[in-house]
Amino acid sequence: QLQLQESGPGLVKPSETLSLTCTVSGGSISSSSYYWGWIRQPPGKGLEWIGSIYYSGSTYYNPSLKSRVTISVDTSKNQFSLKLSSVTAADTAVYYCARHSYCTNGVCLDYWGQGTLVTVSS
Amino acid sequence: DIQMTQSPSSLSASVGDRVTITCRASQSISSYLNWYQQKPGKAPKLLIYAASSLQSGVPSRFSGSGSGTDFTLTISSLQPEDFATYYCQQSYSTPNPSFGGGTKVEIK
Repeated sequence: QLQLQESGPGLVKPSETLSLTCTVSGGSISSSSYYWGWIRQPPGKGLEWIGSIYYSGSTYYNPSLKSRVTISVDTSKNQFSLKLSSVTAADTAVYYCARHSYCTNGVCLDYWGQGTLVTVSS
Repeated sequence: DIQMTQSPSSLSASVGDRVTITCRASQSISSYLNWYQQKPGKAPKLLIYAASSLQSGVPSRFSGSGSGTDFTLTISSLQPEDFATYYCQQSYSTPNPSFGGGTKVEIK
């Protein structure tokens, strides 16, 4: 059974860089069938897609966050990572990693990590 | 950008009720529409993809319909475990899969 697990600091200071890693187990991140990505959810609010990456390193980002986001992959560790720079309180959210599959019509997110709360505060 | 609008934002229903949630896209997205269920403190779970295809393991009381700009998620007979928030997600503008604002289904 595929599992995804987010890890990283739960508290980040304003203007600093948020860094998270997603470790994939029970399957290979190098599979040609999937992308791997990040979604966030501010407390009490809805879901926002951040971006995704292919095992080869090709990336796609939400235009609203593109200037601050970097997603990378480490196939040797079966991990992918998120960096979000110049954070503010508005970046406080639960951050999820998820597998992006092709579901007949476009992308669906069929496996998710449990999520990790990141708070931006001094 | 494609905007996704869900209605209602919340609803109250009783066990056994038939529940319908609507999702509207700001432009035609054919059948590029997925539905997720999220329970408090948990990650979203894929229920339906391509507007009407049931994800493996999802109970048959869940169904989806629609194409173009208007879509519906129906729960034919609401069960206690179905009280949750439901999100639609368009997959037309891959790889930028935007979500609707969510519909919270509460106990009446």
